[in-house]
Amino acid sequence: AQSVSQHNHHVILSEAASLELGCNYSYGGTVNLFWYVQYPGQHLQLLLKYFSGDPLVKGIKGFEAEFIKSKFSFNLRKPSVQWSDTAEYFCAVLKYTGFQKLVFGTGTRLLVSP
Amino acid sequence: EAQVTQNPRYLITVTGKKLTVTCSQNMNHEYMSWYRQDPGLGLRQIYYSMNVEVTDKGDVPEGYKVSRKEKRNFPLILESPSPNQTSLYFCASSSTRVPGLAVSYNEQFFGPGTRLTVL
Repeated sequence: AQSVSQHNHHVILSEAASLELGCNYSYGGTVNLFWYVQYPGQHLQLLLKYFSGDPLVKGIKGFEAEFIKSKFSFNLRKPSVQWSDTAEYFCAVLKYTGFQKLVFGTGTRLLVSP
Repeated sequence: EAQVTQNPRYLITVTGKKLTVTCSQNMNHEYMSWYRQDPGLGLRQIYYSMNVEVTDKGDVPEGYKVSRKEKRNFPLILESPSPNQTSLYFCASSSTRVPGLAVSYNEQFFGPGTRLTVL
């Protein structure tokens, strides 16, 4: 079973629309959480990360994510998307089971139309 | 510039012809890893290495080998490639947040990817 779930596989938005991409994980215990972005033809880049502290984390390019421990969720948000946000977004969970393991969700393809 | 490099970026080969994809990082990171990316499956870990001479299998290690003789390099070896290994491959590295503490890694930095086609 997939341990990191991204329920939206494809999302299409118009510019200036608000974005929320869901991410749920099924691990208990200590986890660190990440969102990566992959622009067309490029490698993965880190958008934001959560290790501890304030569960609302702000990343680059106006993105933010909220860690809700009780819901095992780490949803990505942006209040107003731009055409340049067209990309694939991956949620990832770093779990500790004697060693570190980074587990990725299957990704969400976002298309922003101008 | 801090980076992870991979070579080659694109490779077309035939079944059974041994190949190596190189990965190098200049950030003195302890941890390195290989992933493959396939449509609808996200990224799946092939092998990882927590330091020199320390490697272990990830989720999909069959058909792959790795070595970590130097801290900066982590080559991926396909001894006898098959068409089901056609994929996009990424190398990644990360440092420890607490020096020497293997269970406290920072985020991973990714290489540019290698698109492999096995005919």
